[in-house]
Amino acid sequence: QVHLQGSGPGLVKPSETLSLTCSVSGDSISSYGYYWGWVRQPPGKSLEWIANIYYSGSTYYNPSLKSRISISLDTSKNQVSLKVSSVTAADTALYFCARARSQRGSVHFDNWGRGIQVTVSS
Amino acid sequence: DIVMTQSPNSLAVSLGERATINCKSSQSLLYRSNNKNYLAWYQQKPGQPPKLLIYWASTRESGVPVRFSGGGSGTDFTLTISSLQAEDVAVYYCQQSFSQTLTFGGGTRVEIK
Repeated sequence: QVHLQGSGPGLVKPSETLSLTCSVSGDSISSYGYYWGWVRQPPGKSLEWIANIYYSGSTYYNPSLKSRISISLDTSKNQVSLKVSSVTAADTALYFCARARSQRGSVHFDNWGRGIQVTVSS
Repeated sequence: DIVMTQSPNSLAVSLGERATINCKSSQSLLYRSNNKNYLAWYQQKPGQPPKLLIYWASTRESGVPVRFSGGGSGTDFTLTISSLQAEDVAVYYCQQSFSQTLTFGGGTRVEIK
């Protein structure tokens, strides 16, 4: 059973860089056919996909955030990391790390971490 | 981006009754080479992460109760709960992966009448 545990600062100042880490257990992030990604949910709002990284290292970004985000894999620690630069209050959200299956081209998230609450405020 | 529009925003259904949620995409999600719709449904209960219910528009994820079913093709999709149970109170989201830019619907809140 795969388990995802996200970690990161709960409070970030405007203009700073947010760094989040997702520790994965029960599966290798190098497993064939899986993506590892981040999805966020602003308070009271819907879900917004941020980025995915394929087991091979290929990256996919939401164009609306692409200039400010970076996703990476650390296979030695079995972790997935996300960095969001130049944060503003609009980046305040619950951040989820998740595993996505790729089946015949479809990509859907089959395992999720519990979420990391991030607030951007001075 | 492909825009996903869900309706209604919320609905209240009596226990044991049917609940139907709609999801409309701004362009077709049908991949003709394999005849699969790249549409998934999730359930999110308060204080929990989303849970995958349905993928390929109508394929139930392992362990999901049979009262949950998905239908539709192209741009119009539905999630049906055939007999609402108390534990089904949640917000439900659709998500497309036809485009590399993944997008979710706005969500539909299901409550007990």
